[in-house]
Amino acid sequence: AQSVTQPDARVTVSEGASLQLRCKYSYSGTPYLFWYVQYPRQGLQLLLKYYSGDPVVQGVNGFEAEFIKSNSSFHLRKASVHWSDSAVYFCASGTNAYKVIFGKGTHLHVLP
Amino acid sequence: EAAVTQSPRNKVAVTGGKVTLSCNQTNNHNNMYWYRQDTGHGLRLIHYSYGAGSTEKGDIPDGYKASRPSQENFSLILELATPSQTSVYFCASGDRGERLFFGHGTKLSVL
Repeated sequence: AQSVTQPDARVTVSEGASLQLRCKYSYSGTPYLFWYVQYPRQGLQLLLKYYSGDPVVQGVNGFEAEFIKSNSSFHLRKASVHWSDSAVYFCASGTNAYKVIFGKGTHLHVLP
Repeated sequence: EAAVTQSPRNKVAVTGGKVTLSCNQTNNHNNMYWYRQDTGHGLRLIHYSYGAGSTEKGDIPDGYKASRPSQENFSLILELATPSQTSVYFCASGDRGERLFFGHGTKLSVL
């Protein structure tokens, strides 16, 4: 069955620190993988996506993610966070059958 | 920029009443989705569609029906609303493997 797991409900880091938000997926084939961000009282915005090719993908605002097939992971990273990165981050998985599902999200709080 | 419009933005319904949430997209996307967002659960997929006339069950379809009468429109129907269906509902559209475009959400309260 298709599933997405984000094990960390909340992450707190200081401004300027590095960041990793974890995501693991379950799917028998190769899924489309996405990271979205949701700012307060807004809809979801795409940060980056992956399907094939270079396993490290670059996204907007300095975010990147690495697809590791052996670990079924697609963790999101940023070298240096800013207070404005505080938001909820969702990992998502899509399949050839059109279904797209999301993890429960990780609340990121950046301390100024 | 792709446009996805949901209506209404806010809705208060009574238990046992019928509720219809509407979604319209203007970018000719094949796929459309209905999610609900609840604290602690993230976004959960209710129904989705890959074209006019098609509807598919998502992960939590019980208590919900969907209708896709045209490429542009996708409705979510609660025939007998219950308080447990109080939530924020998001509609989204997109093509396979591509990003989803989300509406602004509908806040539904069932009293």
